[in-house]
Amino acid sequence: DQQVKQNSPSLSVQEGRISILNCDYTNSMFDYFLWYKKYPAEGPTFLISISSIKDKNEDGRFTVFLNKSAKHLSLHIVPSQPGDSAVYFCAASAWGRRRGGSNYKLTFGKGTLLTVNP
Amino acid sequence: EPEVTQTPSHQVTQMGQEVILRCVPISNHLYFYWYRQILGQKVEFLVSFYNNEISEKSEIFDDQFSVERPDGSNFTLKIRSTKLEDSAMYFCATGTGWEKLFFGSGTQLSVL
Repeated sequence: DQQVKQNSPSLSVQEGRISILNCDYTNSMFDYFLWYKKYPAEGPTFLISISSIKDKNEDGRFTVFLNKSAKHLSLHIVPSQPGDSAVYFCAASAWGRRRGGSNYKLTFGKGTLLTVNP
Repeated sequence: EPEVTQTPSHQVTQMGQEVILRCVPISNHLYFYWYRQILGQKVEFLVSFYNNEISEKSEIFDDQFSVERPDGSNFTLKIRSTKLEDSAMYFCATGTGWEKLFFGSGTQLSVL
């Protein structure tokens, strides 16, 4: 049951260009979305997040867009740099709907391997 | 930035043996999680732990798995009798109960 889907296993872009990573979700209870970046042999590192009350959140070179009606979000990286090469995971939670504050959890997509070529 | 620390970084064990994976959470965090990632697959939720008890667990987390926080600092995942299919990278994650989780660098478990 893939509640969070990243349909592109890999993406390759040139340095300086825009990278667009996509994510779809099926669970309408999800109301908080996050992007994590993962290098080999390291744990996922938080990148950026967005609440369902917003449709855009920006942090430096990274912007996340949320289209609730389409149950789709995307991460834009502009300009892309070789150091951005990593696996990017989309994650979602039903943050506002958790019971008693004790069962907050993230559901991850399978990840997209981004390669930024110099 | 504060870190979640996991030990060991690598663990090799024979099938049927018990393993204990350890995690030191960020000091003011109260919510603790174990996730795992089998090679080439997605990061999967195993269990969440709050207020010294399991708050949620996945289907993967069967009676061969257990978690505890024995000394108020370390958070451990025990697999009583390992199987070949338990081979994966196991990530500990902690949080304040709001927004993002912080992940450790993982323990690569190899069951032979």
